[in-house]
Amino acid sequence: RKEVEQDPGPFNVPEGATVAFNCTYSNSASQSFFWYRQDCRKEPKLLMSVYSSGNEDGRFTAQLNRASQYISLLIRDSKLSDSATYLCAVNRGGRGSTLGRLYFGRGTQLTVWP
Amino acid sequence: ETGVTQTPRHLVMGMTNKKSLKCEQHLGHNAMYWYKQSAKKPLELMFVYNFKEQTENNSVPSRFSPECPNSSHLFLHLHTLQPEDSALYLCASSPTGTGVDTQYFGPGTRLTVL
Repeated sequence: RKEVEQDPGPFNVPEGATVAFNCTYSNSASQSFFWYRQDCRKEPKLLMSVYSSGNEDGRFTAQLNRASQYISLLIRDSKLSDSATYLCAVNRGGRGSTLGRLYFGRGTQLTVWP
Repeated sequence: ETGVTQTPRHLVMGMTNKKSLKCEQHLGHNAMYWYKQSAKKPLELMFVYNFKEQTENNSVPSRFSPECPNSSHLFLHLHTLQPEDSALYLCASSPTGTGVDTQYFGPGTRLTVL
């Protein structure tokens, strides 16, 4: 089983729509969770860290469900500029040399059309 | 943003060439990483350095040789590469190598092996 699984999409939504992405992880000891945004042919950039209680940043809401081992990203009132690939990343947790390792999903492609 | 810089941005090399990729971070971080991103695949961690010490080698072929002379600089030496090594090579840094903090990526080197 892969460490992190993500629906690759693509998601094609009109401007103003609400869209949600999920990402599941396999290691219950995982401690840190992140959403990154990657534009075409660019590097990933941190969008949000995901906290246990859930967190919101403007139109973006991230949630963590430890029982079901998934994180989610909700985008409200989508803008054309939200078109990108969204990557989830999960820290493996536990002991040893893999402590510093982030596992990334394949990314979910989002296209927002006018 | 110039927190993490990478040179060159594009590289075309033959299978018998030797080249080096350079990464520099200006964020005062102690951990640095090399990732490989191929089309349609998730980010693959290659190497982790924490306080200049290599803490992880993710089963990378010996034709890739990392070097970390100090906490701010990271190199990836390339020799006798294969066409399947063509990819985007991303450098990242984080405050610590524990995995609980955010990783910041450089713009990447797009490598083509002929």
